[in-house]
Amino acid sequence: GESVGLHLPTLSVQEGDNSIINCAYSNSASDYFIWYKQESGKGPQFIIDIRSNMDKRQGQRVTVLLNKTVKHLSLQIAATQPGDSAVYFCAETYGGSQGNLIFGKGTKLSVKP
Amino acid sequence: EAGVAQSPRYKIIEKRQSVAFWCNPISGHATLYWYQQILGQGPKLLIQFQNNGVVDDSQLPKDRFSAERLKGVDSTLKIQPAKLEDSAVYLCASSTLRGGGDTQYFGPGTRLTVL
Repeated sequence: GESVGLHLPTLSVQEGDNSIINCAYSNSASDYFIWYKQESGKGPQFIIDIRSNMDKRQGQRVTVLLNKTVKHLSLQIAATQPGDSAVYFCAETYGGSQGNLIFGKGTKLSVKP
Repeated sequence: EAGVAQSPRYKIIEKRQSVAFWCNPISGHATLYWYQQILGQGPKLLIQFQNNGVVDDSQLPKDRFSAERLKGVDSTLKIQPAKLEDSAVYLCASSTLRGGGDTQYFGPGTRLTVL
């Protein structure tokens, strides 16, 4: 079936370094992508989104890159902080609605002080 | 602004028992979602409401799961009877979803353990 997947289940970085979390998607019809952050015991928290007509979008310390040619999505976190430690999920939707969110399994980011 | 509220936060039951979860979305949000998140996996949509109507329940195991949103605000998700594989975190989310999509805001979830 079609699903969103992640290349790395865990990622460990040094505080202050940049982090890159990758995601592969298989549904070429997907037109909206979202990154969520989930801390232990909490629900997913929206980080940043990108539509399929864009290839880059920047937020505060975060950048999402979309490569539709290879169906790849990445989340870059600049100057990673201990508070960034969490599980990061990418999710995709199709049909222009956020209702049919399909989540990947997640990447656990650990920040070493 | 208050976030999505869910209760209880934790629930432990034995298989074949019944359980119900409650969700209060962000005020003014017309769309409400229930997700199931099994340990180590991403959330999976169970059901989506638009006001008090069901938009998508294609992944809801209807033989044992039911959900309602009678007045278009609060929602209840019920499992009857529960199975061991229902052990998971049940997340509620809401959005304004005005023509074209909007950000989904998640509650803290209810962690269900079925023994």
